[in-house]
Amino acid sequence: SQQGEEDPQALSIQEGENATMNCSYKTSINNLQWYRQNSGRGLVHLILIRSNEREKHSGRLRVTLDTSKKSSSLLITASRAADTASYFCATGPTGANNLFFGTGTRLTVIP
Amino acid sequence: NAGVTQTPKFRVLKTGQSMTLLCAQDMNHEYMYWYRQDPGMGLRLIHYSVGEGTTAKGEVPDGYNVSRLKKQNFLLGLESAAPSQTSVYFCASSSHQRGSYNEQFFGPGTRLTVL
Repeated sequence: SQQGEEDPQALSIQEGENATMNCSYKTSINNLQWYRQNSGRGLVHLILIRSNEREKHSGRLRVTLDTSKKSSSLLITASRAADTASYFCATGPTGANNLFFGTGTRLTVIP
Repeated sequence: NAGVTQTPKFRVLKTGQSMTLLCAQDMNHEYMYWYRQDPGMGLRLIHYSVGEGTTAKGEVPDGYNVSRLKKQNFLLGLESAAPSQTSVYFCASSSHQRGSYNEQFFGPGTRLTVL
């Protein structure tokens, strides 16, 4: 399978704390993306990091990519109750026309 | 600008019935995708299209057919529904530039139950 694998499967934190989610993958990639899904809704794109980038920021989000270890992490700083959602990593393998999604991390932020 | 829309939002079928799910996007995107999402399985790609008149198989294409007659529309068909096709179906679209891969925009999903 070319799917990424997120770790942990579920994460529960207090509001204001930081949340870190990890993604591991197996193939060489062109880019890696993170998406968010609120319950019962479609996925929303958060951030894309290309294979020649090591770190990227967007607001309270920080993504790192280590292509030598085939892994990525998503850090959400100063979490809010509204951040409660499932977070998916998706890999864009080199030469492919599509993305491969992982099974997701379910984040719960307790007010 | 509606983005990606899906019709219908919910549907219940009996085994053996057929139906078509419609996806429409107004962003002039070249690429369109159909996924299914099952508990604990993440999203799995059914079929995709890289342009009008073209389609390709994804990870789980069996039991489904697709058509892309117009650039803005991507149809997913179930010819003879089976209980294993009970799932939430998502459509997505993306642009494609310089061989690199861009973000995908998702529709709100169609919840299908096959009895």
